[in-house]
Amino acid sequence: DAKTTQPNSMESNEEEPVHLPCNHSTISGTDYIHWYRQLPSQGPEYVIHGLTSNVNNRMASLAIAEDRKSSTLILHRATLRDAAVYYCILRDPGNDMRFGAGTRLTVKP
Amino acid sequence: KAGVTQTPRYLIKTRGQQVTLSCSPISGHRSVSWYQQTPGQGLQFLFEYFSETQRNKGNFPGRFSGRQFSNSRSEMNVSTLELGDSALYLCASSLAPGISSYEQYFGPGTRLTVT
Repeated sequence: DAKTTQPNSMESNEEEPVHLPCNHSTISGTDYIHWYRQLPSQGPEYVIHGLTSNVNNRMASLAIAEDRKSSTLILHRATLRDAAVYYCILRDPGNDMRFGAGTRLTVKP
Repeated sequence: KAGVTQTPRYLIKTRGQQVTLSCSPISGHRSVSWYQQTPGQGLQFLFEYFSETQRNKGNFPGRFSGRQFSNSRSEMNVSTLELGDSALYLCASSLAPGISSYEQYFGPGTRLTVT
């Protein structure tokens, strides 16, 4: 399985942008990059995914490096509700999702 | 559209007993995956079902089993419970399996405590 590396924890101030990095140097050409987050006492929640191009949705943006060996999840204006564990996952065709330890994001008021 | 539902939400069992957990996927979703989450091991994949067939299985002992019904609802069973089986069990549904661009939608989980 292709693996991802994320910082254990990050802090942000409320209403400031947050950039959550993910390294995936062994990514293959067919792997999609998925991001999920898990709020306290809830199941994981889908955030965004992409293959090669940068992606935007109502929750976040995903910036993918040109060589695809890294990506960054961007929360444009962090709120207290964004405090969660964020998981970066590589998903290849035919296989299940494997979660790593993720990044615990703390948002300070 | 209703989300993924899991029942029961909380369960307390004693060692040696068995337990059955239930998951109803989002309407139209045909793939159901199960995960175990513990503080020490994090989120670990248990198995995935599609069209009533198990497609993938994680690295768990045979005490962990599951099935899927024709309406895509799924159950998982743990026999001969051990203390280490105490965990949050999460179910996730997806339109279809093996499509790496498809996202999964998770339920709230069943918190199992084994005493």
